[in-house]
Amino acid sequence: EAGVAQSPRYKIIEKRQSVAFWCNPISGHATLYWYQQILGQGPKLLIQFQNNGVVDDSQLPKDRFSAERLKGVDSTLKIQPAKLEDSAVYLCASSLRLAGGPRETQYFGPGTRLLVL
Amino acid sequence: AQTVTQSQPEMSVQEAETVTLSCTYDTSESDYYLFWYKQPPSRQMILVIRQEAYKQQNATENRFSVNFQKAAKSFSLKISDSQLGDAAMYFCAYAGGGNKLTFGTGTQLKVEL
Repeated sequence: EAGVAQSPRYKIIEKRQSVAFWCNPISGHATLYWYQQILGQGPKLLIQFQNNGVVDDSQLPKDRFSAERLKGVDSTLKIQPAKLEDSAVYLCASSLRLAGGPRETQYFGPGTRLLVL
Repeated sequence: AQTVTQSQPEMSVQEAETVTLSCTYDTSESDYYLFWYKQPPSRQMILVIRQEAYKQQNATENRFSVNFQKAAKSFSLKISDSQLGDAAMYFCAYAGGGNKLTFGTGTQLKVEL
């Protein structure tokens, strides 16, 4: 079974530029998550999708970050304009479904490492 | 809000020895899951083990086991017969309602020959 795919793996941009990251979850997984991991910290959830609807975006800086999952499969995370403090690894994860009972294990992609100069 | 605390920024273990990584958490929920994830230098997060809060029995996966103390809100990871490939950053994580993961700050594990 193929895992979570992400691209690009690395990106270097200058501040105030825009950037987009792509994620393809494990086939059949309804729930998709984007996390931001700043160096030396644990990942922090940015946004959570159930199919193509947003479940939780409370920690997404909406003035500069946006995300979509139009057909309920692939997802794109965009930053516009980027700031120096956005330098981080952006991790995508997916799980089978949003559980009303047992918690579904999240499977992570390899991440995209962003450096903003 | 839930919090996860890992008080050991770094740990070292000799190859073939046993090491225990500590984790505490705070929550008011009664139904939740706890996880240990491993993150090697490649940055890919790999699930090591998970524990359902309603289960009293500690989870085990081959050389990895947990000591889950629900009343104390403690969730430690024991790695037996440590191998060089175990060297990585280990994150403790909590999932409550909505399946959102809250991570600790991580423990860097070094395995020495």
